[in-house]
Amino acid sequence: GESVGLHLPTLSVQEGDNSIINCAYSNSASDYFIWYKQESGKGPQFIIDIRSNMDKRQGQRVTVLLNKTVKHLSLQIAATQPGDSAVYFCAEEKTSYDKVIFGPGTSLSVIP
Amino acid sequence: DVKVTQSSRYLVKRTGEKVFLECVQDMDHENMFWYRQDPGLGLRLIYFSYDVKMKEKGDIPEGYSVSREKKERFSLILESASTNQTSMYLCASNSLGDTIYFGEGSWLTVV
Repeated sequence: GESVGLHLPTLSVQEGDNSIINCAYSNSASDYFIWYKQESGKGPQFIIDIRSNMDKRQGQRVTVLLNKTVKHLSLQIAATQPGDSAVYFCAEEKTSYDKVIFGPGTSLSVIP
Repeated sequence: DVKVTQSSRYLVKRTGEKVFLECVQDMDHENMFWYRQDPGLGLRLIYFSYDVKMKEKGDIPEGYSVSREKKERFSLILESASTNQTSMYLCASNSLGDTIYFGEGSWLTVV
């Protein structure tokens, strides 16, 4: 069935290093992808998105890469900071249908 | 900035009580959603609404109902709360084909 999954449930990174969080999706018809950050006790917060007509998009310290050939999505965080510690979700959507599928999340821990 | 506001952050209710969770969004979004989030199970869709007075069942609607009398407001109702409904509830909204924005969550404990 359709699913969005993350390769690693947990990720530990040294402060100042770059972080890469991966996501696999199975629905080749999905055309919109979103990354969310969820801090403990809070709701998911939008970080960055990308549409299927692009393969890379950059924000402030974050980059999302989309590889449609292998149905893979990644979030790169540059110079990871303690405040980046959170659970990160990817989500996929087929916009004409507007059903969003969320991945289970990766917990990022930043080691000072 | 988009704002999705859930009026109750923490609630403790007794088994059998009727529970209302209220959500308001200020971006004139057509779509509104209620999810629950449990450890190891991720986000699961309970109900959603594409328009006023319109509702559609999500993946886990049993034991819940919803109300959307106004475009900006979407309420989740637990007619008779049970202990297995102890969870974090997340309201969200979006315009068709656009980013879904979440509220801060409502932590419900049923004792």
